Order: sequence, then C-alpha cells, then structure tokens
Amino acid sequence: AQSVTQPDIHITVSEGASLELRCNYSYGATPYLFWYVQSPGQGLQLLLKYFSGDTLVQGIKGFEAEFKRSQSSFNLRKPSVHWSDAAEYFCAVAADQDSGYALNFGKGTSLLVTP
Amino acid sequence: DGGITQSPKYLFRKEGQNVTLSCEQNLNHDAMYWYRQDPGQGLRLIYYSQIVNDFQKGDIAEGYSVSREKKESFPLTVTSAQKNPTAFYLCASSLGYEQFFGPGTRLTVL
Repeated sequence: AQSVTQPDIHITVSEGASLELRCNYSYGATPYLFWYVQSPGQGLQLLLKYFSGDTLVQGIKGFEAEFKRSQSSFNLRKPSVHWSDAAEYFCAVAADQDSGYALNFGKGTSLLVTP
Repeated sequence: DGGITQSPKYLFRKEGQNVTLSCEQNLNHDAMYWYRQDPGQGLRLIYYSQIVNDFQKGDIAEGYSVSREKKESFPLTVTSAQKNPTAFYLCASSLGYEQFFGPGTRLTVL
C-alpha cells in the first residue's frame, strides 16, 4: 500500500532564511508526486508536481522539489522564505488506476515564519 | 472562470440529521473526489467517481453517501450513521493525475 510520511509536524523559520520540508513515500512503481499548500480555512493549491523526467522540478511562488528515488524522497525547498509562506504544506502521491488516481496525503507540515 | 465551487462554506447540523454538501465543477473533468480533513490527520479519501453514474468507496466511506448524476456535480451526504462528522470537507476534480480542489465546507455537529 502506498503511504506518505512528513516527519516534521511543525517548522519555524525566520523570514529570509531557506526552507526544506521533508517528504518520504512508499510506492512500488514510479510515483506521481505532488506538493500542495493550504492557508487556514481554505482549499489546497498545487505548488508543483513530479511525473517523470528531470528530478528537480520548479513550482509556483519560488518553490522547488527534488525527487530522489534512492531515498524515496520528494523534499520541498525555497531559498528565501517570505512571511506569506506561513501555511500548511502537504505532500501527496497518486494512487493507481484501480483507486481512481486518488491522492494519498501525508499528515502535513505547519510552517511558521518569524520576523 | 473555471473552477470548483463548494457550498455552503459553513454548515451546522444537529445530531441525527442528514446533511448534503454541494460540489460543482465547470472544468469538464471526468473524475471527482471527496476528502475529509481533521487536524493533524492530513486528508483522507471518502468517495470518488471516475465517470457519471459510477462511484467507489474510499478509505473512510462509512456513514457517507454520494451520487454522480451529472458530470459537473458530485454531492456528498453525511448521514446520521457517521459517528464523528465534525470536520473540514474538500472536493476535488481531476483530468489525469493532477487534482484541483474546491474551497471546502466546514461541518460542525451541535
């Protein structure tokens, strides 16, 4: 069965500092991986996705993520965090066709940005 | 504007009542999904539908029901059999692997 682990429940960074959010997945085949962001009381917005090809993918809002098959990881990074990046971040892997390509989500990482 | 709409934004229910959450999309997507979000739990799949008039149970379908009579609409009914329905409910649609989410409905049982 697929699973996604986000080891960090909360992360606090200073504005302007770099950020890395960790994501590990368990999946037998080539995974389809996603990072979503959620502001309080809102829906989810897609930051970036990995299907195949270049293992470093660029997303919106200056985010990037690197797929590392050997480590089963898909960590999210940003060189310089802005106060508006404070939100909940979710890593997800798409299930197979038998499950309608539904997403399996990690439990999320809450990002706090300090002045 | 293409997108997914969910209504209402907030919903209050008395114990023992059924309530229906609306989800509409104008993206012409074939597949639609319902997820439940609880604090610290991520999102969990309730039901999904890949085509009209067909839907499948997800991981936590007990106490919920759905219908898919139109491509654009995928309403979710929370029945009185759902023991702990207070949560944030998110609807999504997809064309292929990428899913697009609505703004959510927060359901509170009084």
